[in-house]
Amino acid sequence: KAGVTQTPRYLIKTRGQQVTLSCSPISGHRSVSWYQQTPGQGLQFLFEYFSETQRNKGNFPGRFSGRQFSNSRSEMNVSTLELGDSALYLCASSSNPTMNTEAFFGQGTRLTVV
Amino acid sequence: AQSVTQLGSHVSVSEGALVLLRCNYSSSVPPYLFWYVQYPNQGLQLLLKYTSAATLVKGINGFEAEFKKSETSFHLTKPSAHMSDAAEYFCAVSGGSNYKLTFGKGTLLTVNP
Repeated sequence: KAGVTQTPRYLIKTRGQQVTLSCSPISGHRSVSWYQQTPGQGLQFLFEYFSETQRNKGNFPGRFSGRQFSNSRSEMNVSTLELGDSALYLCASSSNPTMNTEAFFGQGTRLTVV
Repeated sequence: AQSVTQLGSHVSVSEGALVLLRCNYSSSVPPYLFWYVQYPNQGLQLLLKYTSAATLVKGINGFEAEFKKSETSFHLTKPSAHMSDAAEYFCAVSGGSNYKLTFGKGTLLTVNP
């Protein structure tokens, strides 16, 4: 059973540009969440999607957006990149939206903004 | 609101010694608690989870954790550290209807030969 796949693994962008990250969840998983990981702030929740609907959003500016497709694949977009957006972006998928179901994480996309 | 506090950002032990990583949580609803491990340049891997079925939870790689409601703690232990245990460990809590994990800041475990 394939795990969570995130593409690309590494990305370098210039300030002001926009970027799109992709996440393919484990087959059959309908919930996809995104997290930002930085040395200073740790792991912070961005948003969660289930069946193409955003159910929860973290405390990030509107430059951060996401969507989920009918096949459960998800993308997140960051517009007008800032240096502070440099981070490891992790995607996680779950089979069931209940609270006791563990999230399976991808290897992440390392975004560097220069 | 939920929060997690991991005491000690860096723990160093000798190979074969006891590993104890501390986690305290705050939750207004019955919590679900998780421990994840992250190796360099990798994602997070689940070690174990507490879902109210049993207070002592056994996980992978010989790790276990005990849920203590009175102390709002969920400390992670392993009787004998191995070099391969060197990694960063994250405690996380979920609960209610917010469909998200709230993570602690992480504890970097170093294992000395």
